[in-house]
Amino acid sequence: GDSVTQMEGPVTLSEEAFLTINCTYTATGYPSLFWYVQYPGEGLQLLLKATKADDKGSNKGFEATYRKETTSFHLEKGSVQVSDSAVYFCALTRGYGGSQGNLIFGKGTKLSVKP
Amino acid sequence: DSGVTQTPKHLITATGQRVTLRCSPRSGDLSVYWYQQSLDQGLQFLIQYYNGEERAKGNILERFSAQQFPDLHSELNLSSLELGDSALYFCASSVGVRGETQYFGPGTRLLVL
Repeated sequence: GDSVTQMEGPVTLSEEAFLTINCTYTATGYPSLFWYVQYPGEGLQLLLKATKADDKGSNKGFEATYRKETTSFHLEKGSVQVSDSAVYFCALTRGYGGSQGNLIFGKGTKLSVKP
Repeated sequence: DSGVTQTPKHLITATGQRVTLRCSPRSGDLSVYWYQQSLDQGLQFLIQYYNGEERAKGNILERFSAQQFPDLHSELNLSSLELGDSALYFCASSVGVRGETQYFGPGTRLLVL
């Protein structure tokens, strides 16, 4: 079945460091891909998304490119801040070609940014 | 603020009991999804309703049920509760039936003692 695999955490970085969180997926059809972020004690917030191959999603300095040839959607940020400390989830939906609309999530990657 | 509301925020109950979690979707959204987040299982899809009708089922136990009312709010009923049902339960909503962005509520934290 469809699935999402993301790098295990936790990831600890110093402020202004470069961030990459790897995400790969397995899916039939044409999934849409998402990154959600969960700050401590809060719900999930959409960070960015991409709905077709080669699309780049971006928001708040974060970017991810939908790579169909490598089935990947890696999250990157050039310079992280302490306020970026959170858990990041990669997810997919089966898109308009699928029969169900639910999100399938990776296990999450906890990011801690030190001053 | 996503526009999705959930009540209650916290719930503490005993094994064997029944609870009801409530969700109000964003204005204009017709789909409501329920997810369970636990340390061992991660984020798991439970069930989806679209415009009052059940649309899809995930890993939902038989002890759990849900419905979506004419005003589009949804309730998740959990019965014969077990210790392992302790988790964070999220509701999300979207405009259509599949593929669109889902917006999440703040969650209900359930603790079964």
